[in-house]
Amino acid sequence: AQKITQTQPGMFVQEKEAVTLDCTYDTSDPSYGLFWYKQPSSGEMIFLIYQGSYDQQNATEGRYSLNFQKARKSANLVISASQLGDSAMYFCAMAARQTGANNLFFGTGTRLTVIP
Amino acid sequence: GAGVSQSPSNKVTEKGKDVELRCDPISGHTALYWYRQSLGQGLEFLIYFQGNSAPDKSGLPSDRFSAERTGGSVSTLTIQRTQQEDSAVYLCASSFRGTSGGYEQFFGPGTRLTVL
Repeated sequence: AQKITQTQPGMFVQEKEAVTLDCTYDTSDPSYGLFWYKQPSSGEMIFLIYQGSYDQQNATEGRYSLNFQKARKSANLVISASQLGDSAMYFCAMAARQTGANNLFFGTGTRLTVIP
Repeated sequence: GAGVSQSPSNKVTEKGKDVELRCDPISGHTALYWYRQSLGQGLEFLIYFQGNSAPDKSGLPSDRFSAERTGGSVSTLTIQRTQQEDSAVYLCASSFRGTSGGYEQFFGPGTRLTVL
């Protein structure tokens, strides 16, 4: 079974500073993918970044980077130079390859608030 | 280009009534997913369609829930004899192929279901 844990229900960050949102996961599958999604107050889910379990380098997408520590089973999201528009819920999710499960298992989310 | 669309955006119904929720995936996407998000919670997987294969129904919470996908495109999620605990936002997503291959899911805006 897969499990995603996000231990920070809420986080605050000053505008223009960097922030790290924690995510740990548990799976017995050697091959899996990790995703981060952003959900603003409008409700839509916006894909941010993806990390494959066999990827050698940490994924980066603009101001987003994923700090992937496979041995610790963590996949923290780092947002650099925070902007007011970054205020939203952030969800970490996982899909396991070998079990054939294509659905995403989501964590409970972290609410990020960017302070001006 | 057109994203995933869902209708209706809001649905209020009385306990015991049946409801149908519709999802139009992105054209060309073979995989389609339904999720449920209860207030303040993460997303809960319901069902997954991939091409012409039998759907993965492992997330459906009860036999009151069913879904179909016609012609490999539009999908309808049906909830029979609705209960108050069915109140949630129902999100549909599609991806080019299965997510376990690393393809991100694109989400629709959701249908907010309220059962009185």
